[in-house]
Amino acid sequence: AQSVTQLGSHVSVSEGALVLLRCNYSSSVPPYLFWYVQYPNQGLQLLLKYTSAATLVKGINGFEAEFKKSETSFHLTKPSAHMSDAAEYFCAVSRSGGYNKLIFGAGTRLAVHP
Amino acid sequence: DTAVSQTPKYLVTQMGNDKSIKCEQNLGHDTMYWYKQDSKKFLKIMFSYNNKELIINETVPNRFSPKSPDKAHLNLHINSLELGDSAVYFCASSQITGDTGELFFGEGSRLTVL
Repeated sequence: AQSVTQLGSHVSVSEGALVLLRCNYSSSVPPYLFWYVQYPNQGLQLLLKYTSAATLVKGINGFEAEFKKSETSFHLTKPSAHMSDAAEYFCAVSRSGGYNKLIFGAGTRLAVHP
Repeated sequence: DTAVSQTPKYLVTQMGNDKSIKCEQNLGHDTMYWYKQDSKKFLKIMFSYNNKELIINETVPNRFSPKSPDKAHLNLHINSLELGDSAVYFCASSQITGDTGELFFGEGSRLTVL
């Protein structure tokens, strides 16, 4: 079975500060890992994904994440937060191959203050 | 041109009523999904169809009946609505062939049961 744990349901940073959103996964098979962002009253938009190629994955809007198998982690970072980054962020896992069943973490709400 | 579109965006209805949500994707994908997002933002898969065939049914009550007339459409009908059905329902699609694991989401349909 696969699962995702996002540490911290709320994260607050100052504009210009480092953003770090934590995600740990559990999977008995090689995973695919994703970060999605949800802005208020909108659907989910893919930020980035790991599908067993490079372990450091760069996404949209300056975000990146590093797959660390030894730590079963896929933390999301951005060097400098913008006010527009305020949103809900979801980490998700699925297995490679076959029918995709994306399992989501509980989400982390990122607040950015001036 | 919207990739995954859902209608309606908002539904407000009384307990006991029946309602439907429609979903269409123009991405040429062969697999479609329904996810439920509860008031705490938790996302859980409900159903998945591949080429009109049900492949995932996550122990959803029988009051929920998905229908896929073709691989570009996946509708969700809910009978005898209950207060606990209030949520945002997201439709999504993906391509199994050449699988990269990514799901594309619609903007959601917010259902409020009074």
